[in-house]
Amino acid sequence: KQEVTQIPAALSVPEGENLVLNCSFTDSAIYNLQWFRQDPGKGLTSLLLIQSSQREQTSGRLNASLDKSSGRSTLYIAASQPGDSATYLCAVPYNSGYALNFGKGTSLLVTP
Amino acid sequence: GAGVSQSPSNKVTEKGKDVELRCDPISGHTALYWYRQSLGQGLEFLIYFQGNSAPDKSGLPSDRFSAERTGGSVSTLTIQRTQQEDSAVYLCASSYDRGTTGELFFGEGSRLTVL
Repeated sequence: KQEVTQIPAALSVPEGENLVLNCSFTDSAIYNLQWFRQDPGKGLTSLLLIQSSQREQTSGRLNASLDKSSGRSTLYIAASQPGDSATYLCAVPYNSGYALNFGKGTSLLVTP
Repeated sequence: GAGVSQSPSNKVTEKGKDVELRCDPISGHTALYWYRQSLGQGLEFLIYFQGNSAPDKSGLPSDRFSAERTGGSVSTLTIQRTQQEDSAVYLCASSYDRGTTGELFFGEGSRLTVL
């Protein structure tokens, strides 16, 4: 069974810092990996989708990398802002299926 | 609408009653997912619909849970004889899957409270 782990569970940083969120998964036979953001009381917002053939994807201040062989992905946030405060989740498809298996997320707080 | 729409946004019910939760996916999206998010827990997969194929029901926690998707669009998740442990946020997502999982777009969720 695919297990997804996110470290750290919570993170607090001052505004302006660059930071890295980590995601690991146990089954490297994945088609893709997705990073999401969830604000309190809200649904999830897709941030980045990395296909298995890709090593990284970038969107604005966000950069996500994927290393299938080691079962790891990182989400890099540059020049963090208070508006980045949210929970960040990574997800991979269950084995050969379509349903996504989510980590429990990293709760990020960026202080002014 | 432009996004995934869910209703109701909040539902309070008494133990033993049936509830229906509705999801209207993004137009043109072939795949629809239901997830459950309990307080302090991760997202739990419930059911997956893809086009006209038989749904993947492997995540449904009990036979009190069922879902249907009519005309390949709107979906309804039904919970019969609700229990307190059913209290959670039920999230719906849709995507355009072709060969593998596409980018998922989530609704705002339906918060269910069972008294």
